Amino acid sequence: SAVISQKPSRDICQRGTSLTIQCQVDSQVTMMFWYRQQPGQSLTLIATANQGSEATYESGFVIDKFPISRPNLTFSTLTVSNMSPEDSSIYLCSVEALDSRKLFFGSGTQLSVL
Amino acid sequence: GESVGLHLPTLSVQEGDNSIINCAYSNSASDYFIWYKQESGKGPQFIIDIRSNMDKRQGQRVTVLLNKTVKHLSLQIAATQPGDSAVYFCAELPYYFGNEKLTFGTGTRLTIIP
Repeated sequence: SAVISQKPSRDICQRGTSLTIQCQVDSQVTMMFWYRQQPGQSLTLIATANQGSEATYESGFVIDKFPISRPNLTFSTLTVSNMSPEDSSIYLCSVEALDSRKLFFGSGTQLSVL
Repeated sequence: GESVGLHLPTLSVQEGDNSIINCAYSNSASDYFIWYKQESGKGPQFIIDIRSNMDKRQGQRVTVLLNKTVKHLSLQIAATQPGDSAVYFCAELPYYFGNEKLTFGTGTRLTIIP
């Protein structure tokens, strides 16, 4: 399985500011995904981070709010822009294993917006 | 719309007993299912998976059963231990490789009583 490192692990931010979350994988992967997990709830896919092209967003998520970068096959960032308290969630990076359809997750970024 | 859901949000089991966590899915195109375990403050951890051409798959202390007729999935944990306390999610993938969008169920919180 891939080793996925996410930074920061947690942050407390002020309303109206932006936070960029980094995801580093120890091996090259084709598919990288960003998920949101609101308090006490399940995981919801935000977008698929594509290397060399724009991210593919799911319904209800837009690029202006959640810009994503994928400069290479081992790294991606998710920015949560113009934050409000409703953005308080855990944000998770996920990658697909090369030899199977399994998805592996980072430890997440716990974001609290005041 | 298609969804994956769980029957029970919480489950308490005496240490040493067996536990069964259930999951219903509605997407008939789903052909691959995964169970994840999420401990507090951590990302989801892969437990076991099963493809739709199988009815049962066993791992270490865990067994997944798939009933395609009624679109039902279950995770059995044998001889539960305190470390099994966590939230368990089922997730499904439809059968079109290259579009790996996991759909997660709502989750069941399993508590092991010492």
